[in-house]
Amino acid sequence: DAGVIQSPRHEVTEMGQEVTLRCKPISGHNSLFWYRQTMMRGLELLIYFNNNVPIDDSGMPEDRFSAKMPNASFSTLKIQPSEPRDSAVYFCASRGLAGVQETQYFGPGTRLLVL
Amino acid sequence: AQSVAQPEDQVNVAEGNPLTVKCTYSVSGNPYLFWYVQYPNRGLQFLLKYITGDNLVKGSYGFEAEFNKSQTSFHLKKPSALVSDSALYFCAVRDARGFQKLVFGTGTRLLVSP
Repeated sequence: DAGVIQSPRHEVTEMGQEVTLRCKPISGHNSLFWYRQTMMRGLELLIYFNNNVPIDDSGMPEDRFSAKMPNASFSTLKIQPSEPRDSAVYFCASRGLAGVQETQYFGPGTRLLVL
Repeated sequence: AQSVAQPEDQVNVAEGNPLTVKCTYSVSGNPYLFWYVQYPNRGLQFLLKYITGDNLVKGSYGFEAEFNKSQTSFHLKKPSALVSDSALYFCAVRDARGFQKLVFGTGTRLLVSP
């Protein structure tokens, strides 16, 4: 299995531009999570989906952030417009059925720099 | 509400010595507990978990952790540290009920000196 795939791995953009981060979860997993990691705030959960439905988006910082999961094999996190304070590493993780077998597996992350 | 605490920002240990990285948690119901490791410029890698069963859990790379319900702790241990174990370690917990999200600690940096 290829694991969780994220693209791009690195993104440099200018303030005000739209940024789209992409994630392909592990095949067969039915939950997907978006996290943000910074030195100041550590690892933060932004939003998570179960069976393609958003369950908890309370971690999304503001309306500039949006996430979609149109099908079981693809999700996007969009920032529009981007700001320098959005600079961080964004991780996607996926998980199989909740319960005894559950484990979240993380992708390699997208390192975002907003100038 | 769920919470997890990693009281040490950094743990220093000499190679070959045993290591312990501490974690305590708080949940309303039964806990699901996890340890992850993060190497520089990499994603988090799963090490081990406690869901149910034996309190001593063995995981990847020789790591183990002991679930202690009375002390609400889940400390990560290894009998003999390697320099390559140097990394950032995260403890995480969620309540076993429903769709509760996984809550991560702030991380503990482990430095193993030669």
